[in-house]
Amino acid sequence: DTEVTQTPKHLVMGMTNKKSLKCEQHMGHRAMYWYKQKAKKPPELMFVYSYEKLSINESVPSRFSPECPNSSLLNLHLHALQPEDSALYLCASSQHRDNSYNEQFFGPGTRLTVL
Amino acid sequence: AQTVTQSQPEMSVQEAETVTLSCTYDTSESDYYLFWYKQPPSRQMILVIRQEAYKQQNATENRFSVNFQKAAKSFSLKISDSQLGDAAMYFCAYRDYNYGQNFVFGPGTRLSVLP
Repeated sequence: DTEVTQTPKHLVMGMTNKKSLKCEQHMGHRAMYWYKQKAKKPPELMFVYSYEKLSINESVPSRFSPECPNSSLLNLHLHALQPEDSALYLCASSQHRDNSYNEQFFGPGTRLTVL
Repeated sequence: AQTVTQSQPEMSVQEAETVTLSCTYDTSESDYYLFWYKQPPSRQMILVIRQEAYKQQNATENRFSVNFQKAAKSFSLKISDSQLGDAAMYFCAYRDYNYGQNFVFGPGTRLSVLP
């Protein structure tokens, strides 16, 4: 199983809503990532979890709150978002964060629209 | 800081023909890794090929090969016998050899394959 799954595929929310994005992998990977991708742009790193601990927060606003309940699951909690937060949110995982040779496996993403 | 440039925002190729996507990067490091990722319209990014900077031999994966010119800081991707399924956004990415470094992505090249 070399798959990273993400739910939901699409999400529309108002600026006052609270929602969560979910990511799951069963490859035994110990590093998981959240990226934000705007149309026709490369992914931008948001958060990195290594062994279920947050190791990188790329100065992301507090309206985005990551959570790693266990080694297979990664959540991104959303609250009071702005329209400019509309984007494709990608989850990825890799065997370890330490080894730069490691491939990152990406999920299909959640297309988020903030009204 | 490292940067990655892809000078061709869009390219097209006839089915069964060969196409080369260009990528240049800037770094002061001597050890690093280079990657090509493919993102088809379904949005799931997958690794196409990767190269270790200390290896002189160019990496190949079936129809995909790279031309790695370390002195020129160039890392182009050649796709032979192009197929309709090769149509996608292609991102060139750099990663330092050192501990836990993040990807630096280029802006991407959108490849169309014409039947």
